[in-house]
Amino acid sequence: ELQLVESGGGLVQPGGSLRLSCTVSGFTFNTYWMSWVRQAPGKGLEWVAKINEDGSVKGYVDSVKGRFTISRDNGDNSLYLQMNSLRAEDTAVYYCVRDGGNGHHWAFDIWGQGTMVTVSP
Amino acid sequence: DIVMTQSPLSLPVTLGQPASISCRSSQSLVYSDGNTYLNWFQQRPGQSPRRLIYKVSDRDSGVPERFSGSGSATDFTLKISRVEAEDVGVYYCMQGPHWPVTFGQGTKLEIK
Repeated sequence: ELQLVESGGGLVQPGGSLRLSCTVSGFTFNTYWMSWVRQAPGKGLEWVAKINEDGSVKGYVDSVKGRFTISRDNGDNSLYLQMNSLRAEDTAVYYCVRDGGNGHHWAFDIWGQGTMVTVSP
Repeated sequence: DIVMTQSPLSLPVTLGQPASISCRSSQSLVYSDGNTYLNWFQQRPGQSPRRLIYKVSDRDSGVPERFSGSGSATDFTLKISRVEAEDVGVYYCMQGPHWPVTFGQGTKLEIK
């Protein structure tokens, strides 16, 4: 079964750090781009970051550049998002998403259940 | 950034009646490989988004046939032929070819 399971969310103070993890199963992880997408409470979807199959190419939405770092461990079938200098506006559910691969661009076909990040004093 | 504009933002529908959601992009979504990369997602209350349609009109496995996608270049439509109770939720379109990936604002479908 295709599955993405996020963890690592929680309550953090402004300026603090958090590391999100996503464990993948059911497909060949190292043949897919992966993304993080977030959703603030009651709001729409916002793409945050993406990484290519071997981790050599990374991209970020402008609002998190310099603060967030996406990475992956293909040996452990895991995706990560290191979030530093967190702000109140980073409060959201963060989803791990299978992006594209094997000729399928921007698939966004598999989503995790999400992990909640709350930035508050 | 590419702006994805959905309408309507709220869609009350009677059970068994059709529904239609429009999505317009600020630039063409035709990629260099000739494909048009426009996805549709459904997010039921309390759930993660689920992809329904990819590349404008290809329906995902397990998605009921009452869902269909159409359109080209900058104008796209998601249609539900006969709305059922399980279709309640928010629907999003998404474009891929232009960096960064962007989503529409979402259309909330409810039963009248």
